[in-house]
Amino acid sequence: AQSVSQHNHHVILSEAASLELGCNYSYGGTVNLFWYVQYPGQHLQLLLKYFSGDPLVKGIKGFEAEFIKSKFSFNLRKPSVQWSDTAEYFCAVTLNTGFQKLVFGTGTRLLVSP
Amino acid sequence: DSGVTQTPKHLITATGQRVTLRCSPRSGDLSVYWYQQSLDQGLQFLIQYYNGEERAKGNILERFSAQQFPDLHSELNLSSLELGDSALYFCASSVGSPRDEQFFGPGTRLTVL
Repeated sequence: AQSVSQHNHHVILSEAASLELGCNYSYGGTVNLFWYVQYPGQHLQLLLKYFSGDPLVKGIKGFEAEFIKSKFSFNLRKPSVQWSDTAEYFCAVTLNTGFQKLVFGTGTRLLVSP
Repeated sequence: DSGVTQTPKHLITATGQRVTLRCSPRSGDLSVYWYQQSLDQGLQFLIQYYNGEERAKGNILERFSAQQFPDLHSELNLSSLELGDSALYFCASSVGSPRDEQFFGPGTRLTVL
């Protein structure tokens, strides 16, 4: 069964610092990759997604992610974080089969101090 | 606002009881998914319905069941509740293909005492 690993469980940064959150998946076939964000007290929202094409994907709020097929990775980056980026970030995959269930990583809690 | 609504927002009940969680998908979405978020298990897929029919099952206990009605709203029924069922239950909806964004509702926080 496919799985998703997020190695950073808690990250603390100061405003303006750069962010990189790791995500690795285990599945040999074609996958669709997503990053979702959950702000405190809010529902999950999509940051960005990758299906095919340019492996560098740009999302909302200045986030981007790079798909590296050889490393089974889809790391999330932001050059300069803001206090408002404090949230929990989830990497997720779906397979290109008839089933569309999202398989989530364990999440990374990001705290940005002003 | 994602367009997905869930009721109730909070539910407190006792062990052994049965509860029903309700979800209304975004207008036009045919697929509804249920996920459970707990501290020890993280976000786990429970079940998916597409246009009224069960499409996929995940780590859903036999004590749990779901259905999707002709108007596409869905209900998740949890019975013989145990302390370990305390969690946040999310509903999501999408058009229905693996590449579609799933839009999540605000969740129902279930506390079993």
